[in-house]
Amino acid sequence: AQSVTQPDIHITVSEGASLELRCNYSYGATPYLFWYVQSPGQGLQLLLKYFSGDTLVQGIKGFEAEFKRSQSSFNLRKPSVHWSDAAEYFCAVGATGGYQKVTFGTGTKLQVIP
Amino acid sequence: ETGVTQTPRHLVMGMTNKKSLKCEQHLGHNAMYWYKQSAKKPLELMFVYSLEERVENNSVPSRFSPECPNSSHLFLHLHTLQPEDSALYLCASSQDFSRGYNEQFFGPGTRLTVL
Repeated sequence: AQSVTQPDIHITVSEGASLELRCNYSYGATPYLFWYVQSPGQGLQLLLKYFSGDTLVQGIKGFEAEFKRSQSSFNLRKPSVHWSDAAEYFCAVGATGGYQKVTFGTGTKLQVIP
Repeated sequence: ETGVTQTPRHLVMGMTNKKSLKCEQHLGHNAMYWYKQSAKKPLELMFVYSLEERVENNSVPSRFSPECPNSSHLFLHLHTLQPEDSALYLCASSQDFSRGYNEQFFGPGTRLTVL
């Protein structure tokens, strides 16, 4: 069974600073990988996903993530954070065989300070 | 309405009450999901329906009873809940349950409080 770890529960960055949120996964093959964002009072929204091809994936809102097989990681990055990026971010891993079972991490809450 | 909608957005109920959560997707998707989101815990998949047939039931207590009358609607019937069932209940849908790379589209959730 797959699993995903987000080691940082809470991160605080200054507006305009760069951001990197960590995600490590465990899966026996190349997985499907996702980053979702959840704003307060809202459901989850997909930022980006990886399932094959180029290991650097571009998403919405200026986010990108890089799949590193050797490190079993899929870290999310943004070069310059905006106050509106304050939210909770979830990494998820999906199985590539059989049905669509997606396992979510515990989330990283991002605080942006002026 | 667009996307995935959920009603009610907030619900407070006693342990002896019976209530239902409703989810509707306007995306033409074939699969629908119920998740439970509790503080400091990963999203817990509760139920999955594909083409109105239940395909996943993750050892959820019988006090939660899902219903999928058609591919656009999903209900979660609640009865004799416990305080530990208080959480945010999220509904999601995806185009095809069998394809793991399909994005799931989430509703805003129902914040449930059990007294």
